[in-house]
Amino acid sequence: GENVEQHPSTLSVQEGDSAVIKCTYSDSASNYFPWYKQELGKRPQLIIDIRSNVGEKKDQRIAVTLNKTAKHFSLHITETQPEDSAVYFCAAIEEGGSNYKLTFGKGTLLTVNP
Amino acid sequence: DVKVTQSSRYLVKRTGEKVFLECVQDMDHENMFWYRQDPGLGLRLIYFSYDVKMKEKGDIPEGYSVSREKKERFSLILESASTNQTSMYLCASSSQTGGNYGYTFGSGTRLTVV
Repeated sequence: GENVEQHPSTLSVQEGDSAVIKCTYSDSASNYFPWYKQELGKRPQLIIDIRSNVGEKKDQRIAVTLNKTAKHFSLHITETQPEDSAVYFCAAIEEGGSNYKLTFGKGTLLTVNP
Repeated sequence: DVKVTQSSRYLVKRTGEKVFLECVQDMDHENMFWYRQDPGLGLRLIYFSYDVKMKEKGDIPEGYSVSREKKERFSLILESASTNQTSMYLCASSSQTGGNYGYTFGSGTRLTVV
């Protein structure tokens, strides 16, 4: 089955700096990679996703890159703000397959210091 | 516009009690999932269901059972609650159609077993 490794487990940055969270996956059939943000005491929410037919996707201050050959994908947050502080989860799945379970990384606790 | 609703936000139960956690979604999703979330351990899958009356074990099913009698409702049952089942429980749902397998999560139930 799929295995997703996520690093680092904790990340502390100063406000205004960039933050990068990296994930690797094992199953080359995986083709959909969502990222979830979970603020303290709240539900995980989808913030950005990427499919294997593109290498990069941006949405304002967040971007995700995908390297299919190396089987890794990364979340980039620029100009971080205190409200970016949260736990971030990456995930992978083969869309179009019969397994509908996302495989999650273990999460990264991002702290943005004012 | 709440789409995945978990019946209780906080719950305190005694050891040995039978506990029911309810999850209802209004998006006509086929797939429903129960996870538990503990610090440092990420999201661990307990049970999932791809159809009414269908259920499959996840990674940590011991001590739990589930019921899915209607498409919109997925119940998690702790047959005899124990203190090591104190945790945050998250329900999620997703679709099998439309090419988007991403999850929508409920707000979570924080269960304390005393």
